[in-house]
Order: sequence, then C-alpha cells, then structure tokens
Amino acid sequence: RKEVEQDPGPFNVPEGATVAFNCTYSNSASQSFFWYRQDCRKEPKLLMSVYSSGNEDGRFTAQLNRASQYISLLIRDSKLSDSATYLCVGRIYNQGGKLIFGQGTELSVKP
Amino acid sequence: DAGVTQSPTHLIKTRGQQVTLRCSPKSGHDTVSWYQQALGQGPQFIFQYYEEEERQRGNFPDRFSGHQFPNYSSELNVNALLLGDSALYLCASSSRDGFSEQYFGPGTRLTVT
Repeated sequence: RKEVEQDPGPFNVPEGATVAFNCTYSNSASQSFFWYRQDCRKEPKLLMSVYSSGNEDGRFTAQLNRASQYISLLIRDSKLSDSATYLCVGRIYNQGGKLIFGQGTELSVKP
Repeated sequence: DAGVTQSPTHLIKTRGQQVTLRCSPKSGHDTVSWYQQALGQGPQFIFQYYEEEERQRGNFPDRFSGHQFPNYSSELNVNALLLGDSALYLCASSSRDGFSEQYFGPGTRLTVT
C-alpha cells in the first residue's frame, strides 16, 4: 500500500464548478501535510498547508482528519487557470523533513 | 534572489551509461533533497544532503549516489542507467531545521534509450 494515496483522476469540470480532492495516508509518522500544485512539465509548488482545524485561502479550503488519516482539498468557483495536477504530501520531520507525495490528481477546468 | 537552479534541463542517455545532474540551492539554504518523478507519478524521495553528507535515503539502489559541495550545491549521479531511470529529477532546497518549506528547482528531464 502506498504511504499517500490519491484518486488519479482526471477530473474534468466546467468553469465555476466546485471540486473536491481526497487523499489518505498510512504512515502515522507523517507530521505535517500539504497540497502542492504541479503544472504540466514544471516543478511542484506549495499551494497550502493542511491543519486539523481546517484552513482556507481564497477559493481553496484544506482539511486534515488525523483519526481517519484523511486529507481533503476543496476548490470553489473553478477557473481555467486551476487546471493542473494537485499533489497530496506528507512530511516526516524526524527524517530530515522528507516529503512523501501521492501520485497526484489531474484537474482540467473547461470553459 | 535566484531560486533553485538545476542543470541540464534535458538529457538523453543510453542504457548502461552514467549521468550527473547538478543543483544549486536557493540563497540561504544549506540542505538539498533529490526526488525522482516518473511519468504519471508523484515525486519519490531519493536522498538528502547537508553538511556535505547523505543524511536520509529513500528506497533507491546504490546506483544512485550524490555529493554536496562546501557551497551547498549538489550533484546526483546515476550509474549503469536503465530504461526505468527515465524520469524528471527534481532538486529541493531548504534550511537544515527541516521545518522550512522545500523549494523545488525546475528539474532535469532524463531520457534513457
């Protein structure tokens, strides 16, 4: 079983739609979680950190449930520019802060 | 302020050859991590360097080795290349405390034929 698992998609949605990505993790040593965005053939870039209390950044909302080992990302009012691959990531600080990535979920927002 | 830089951008090698990839960390960072991203997959941790030593290693064979220089730049070496080594190789830099954000370079796309 992979340490971080995501639905690979692709998710094809119209502009303005709300889309939700889910992620589960199996390594309880992972201490922090993040969502990264990766555009085609580019490097991953940090989108937002994920907290148990939930956190929101504009149209993006992330949530962590440690009991269920479940992470989510909600995108409201999708824009064409949101088209990318979204990577769910865990971080293990007692191992030098190494990042453990899910395989990514591809999102395509259509006009 | 330059971010993380990597060279070369693209590389084509033949099976059995050896390759060296290079990374310069973001200014102020002393820790470099290397990741391999195969097509359609998320990045996989290869190893991490700070103080010129390998500190953590992922599940990669000994064909993958690295080095860190006194100026914190780093090299990734892969010997006896296999077709399966074809991937995007990403370098990420951060501070040693392990809590700061890891910034990724643009990557080197390696194709093994």
